[in-house]
Amino acid sequence: GIQVEQSPPDLILQEGANSTLRCNFSDSVNNLQWFHQNPWGQLINLFYIPSGTKQNGRLSATTVATERYSLLYISSSQTTDSGVYFCAVGSWGKFQFGAGTQVVVTP
Amino acid sequence: DAGVIQSPRHEVTEMGQEVTLRCKPISGHDYLFWYRQTMMRGLELLIYFNNNVPIDDSGMPEDRFSAKMPNASFSTLKIQPSEPRDSAVYFCASSPTTDTQYFGPGTRLTVL
Repeated sequence: GIQVEQSPPDLILQEGANSTLRCNFSDSVNNLQWFHQNPWGQLINLFYIPSGTKQNGRLSATTVATERYSLLYISSSQTTDSGVYFCAVGSWGKFQFGAGTQVVVTP
Repeated sequence: DAGVIQSPRHEVTEMGQEVTLRCKPISGHDYLFWYRQTMMRGLELLIYFNNNVPIDDSGMPEDRFSAKMPNASFSTLKIQPSEPRDSAVYFCASSPTTDTQYFGPGTRLTVL
């Protein structure tokens, strides 16, 4: 199956800082999503981004499918950004989740 | 819309008992997914349905697990008999198309 590696595993940020999370995958995919799991366990879809670049407020994502990686950018981080960020890759219905990046934003 | 609804939110049971988890997807969503999340294995896709039909159940761990979707607004995941290693958070998600999934709040299952 597809191997998915996320880095860094942990990230501690001061409020207002910017950060970049990375997702590497081992094979070509036609579906890639980024999720945020908040401290209460709720999973929220952030982006569907099998290729290209998207932006939503302070978050943006870029996937370079030919080089098998995706990046999630968090700008001007806020305490509400804390949680775990997952990428999920594969084909529809055959998702492989990465282990996630645990983000803690301190006031 | 109320979002994906799961019940119960917490379940504690004893080894050997039958457990039934329930999910109501968002109205109009044709796809429904069941996931399991544990510290050791992370998030795993167990099974998914399209228009109430199971499409891929290769993630179901063993015969003790079964899932059904009798209609477009209801699905169940059953474990019989349950074992301590089944303890996990079980998520249901639904999707209108082949891109974005919407997750329910999860059911935290503890098998003693």
